[in-house]
Amino acid sequence: KAGVTQTPRYLIKTRGQQVTLSCSPISGHRSVSWYQQTPGQGLQFLFEYFSETQRNKGNFPGRFSGRQFSNSRSEMNVSTLELGDSALYLCASSLAGAGARRETQYFGPGTRLLVL
Amino acid sequence: AQSVTQPDIHITVSEGASLELRCNYSYGATPYLFWYVQSPGQGLQLLLKYFSGDTLVQGIKGFEAEFKRSQSSFNLRKPSVHWSDAAEYFCAVGARSNYQLIWGAGTKLIIKP
Repeated sequence: KAGVTQTPRYLIKTRGQQVTLSCSPISGHRSVSWYQQTPGQGLQFLFEYFSETQRNKGNFPGRFSGRQFSNSRSEMNVSTLELGDSALYLCASSLAGAGARRETQYFGPGTRLLVL
Repeated sequence: AQSVTQPDIHITVSEGASLELRCNYSYGATPYLFWYVQSPGQGLQLLLKYFSGDTLVQGIKGFEAEFKRSQSSFNLRKPSVHWSDAAEYFCAVGARSNYQLIWGAGTKLIIKP
């Protein structure tokens, strides 16, 4: 079974631009979560989608948004990029969501975003 | 509030020596507990998990962890480390109420030759 894939793997943008990151979960997984990882803040939860619905959201500004499609693929978008948005963005998939019914999240390799 | 503490930011161990990485959690009920490993520039790989039952859990790459409810701990151990174990290790708690993982800050493992 193919793992979680994320595209692109690397991205360079300038301040003020917007960016869209993509995540394809493991086949059959309906839950997709997004995390931001930075050296200073560690791993921070962005949001989680299940069957095209956002079920939970972390403490990030509205510039961060996401969506999930009917095939469970997910995208996250960051508008009006700031220097502090430079990070590794990780996507994780599971059957029904972390913490629910003994679920395990499986992570993709991440998209490394550099904002100049 | 739910939280995970990994008290050691860095740990240096000689190759062939034993390893123990500490993880303490705060959670109102029996938690779901995980250890993940991240190699430089890579995503997170699941090492092992605890849901219930036997408190000693075996994982991949020769790792094991023990859930101790009385100490709110889930420490990761390996009897003999290899240079390839150099990475960052994250402990996490699965929060059943809101479908997210709560993460520790990570412990960076450095292997001395």
